[in-house]
Amino acid sequence: TQLLEQSPQFLSIQEGENLTVYCNSSSVFSSLQWYRQEPGEGPVLLVTVVTGGEVKKLKRLTFQFGDARKDSSLHITAAQTGDTGLYLCPAYNSGGSNYKLTFGKGTLLTVNP
Amino acid sequence: SQTIHQWPATLVQPVGSPLSLECTVEGTSNPNLYWYRQAAGRGLQLLFYSVGIGQISSEVPQNLSASRPQDRQFILSSKKLLLSDSGFYLCAWSAGGPGSPLHFGNGTRLTVT
Repeated sequence: TQLLEQSPQFLSIQEGENLTVYCNSSSVFSSLQWYRQEPGEGPVLLVTVVTGGEVKKLKRLTFQFGDARKDSSLHITAAQTGDTGLYLCPAYNSGGSNYKLTFGKGTLLTVNP
Repeated sequence: SQTIHQWPATLVQPVGSPLSLECTVEGTSNPNLYWYRQAAGRGLQLLFYSVGIGQISSEVPQNLSASRPQDRQFILSSKKLLLSDSGFYLCAWSAGGPGSPLHFGNGTRLTVT
C-alpha cells in the first residue's frame, strides 16, 4: 500500500502571508489531485496534475508536480480567510488501480484575520 | 450538470441499531461510486467502491456493507452499529478512467451513542 505523507499537518497563519504545503511519497504517482474541504462539507477538487514537473495556477494558488512524480506542493500567495480548510492531495498509483485514490491525513490550514 | 445527493446530513444512533445511508447521483450514467469515512476531520479512508450495478469492492473488514441496487444509487448499511462506527461518511462518484477526479456529497455525520 502506498503511503502518502502531507506536511505540515497543521498550519495557522495571518491573512496576507504566503505558505506552502507538501505532499510526498516513496512511490510514483500516475496522477495527483488537490482538494480543499471546509468543515461539515465534502472535499472539492482544486486541480489535477499528471505530468512530471507540471505547474498549474489557480488565482493565488500554485500547484507543482515533482519531476519524478513522487511529490507535489501547493503554494498560496497572500492567504485569505476563505482559504481556511483541510487540504488533501490524493493520488493514483502508477501501474495501480484506476479506481482507488490514496489519501494522506491532509494539512489543516487556518488563516486568521 | 451532475449532482450528488447524500442523506441524512446528521444521524445519532444507539449501539446495536441498524444503519442505512443513501447516496444518489444525477446527470451521469455508469459512474464509479465510493463510500469513504473520515475520522476527526482528517484523512479519508476508503470503505467500498463500485464500478457497476451489483459490483461492490470492500477495502476494510468491518461490520458495514454496501449495495448498488441501481446505476446511480449507492447504499451503506450496518445490521448492528458499534461505537467505533462514529464518523463522517462521504459518498463520491467519478467518471472512471485514469486520473478521474472524485465528486463528493456533503457527508453524513454519524454519532453512535
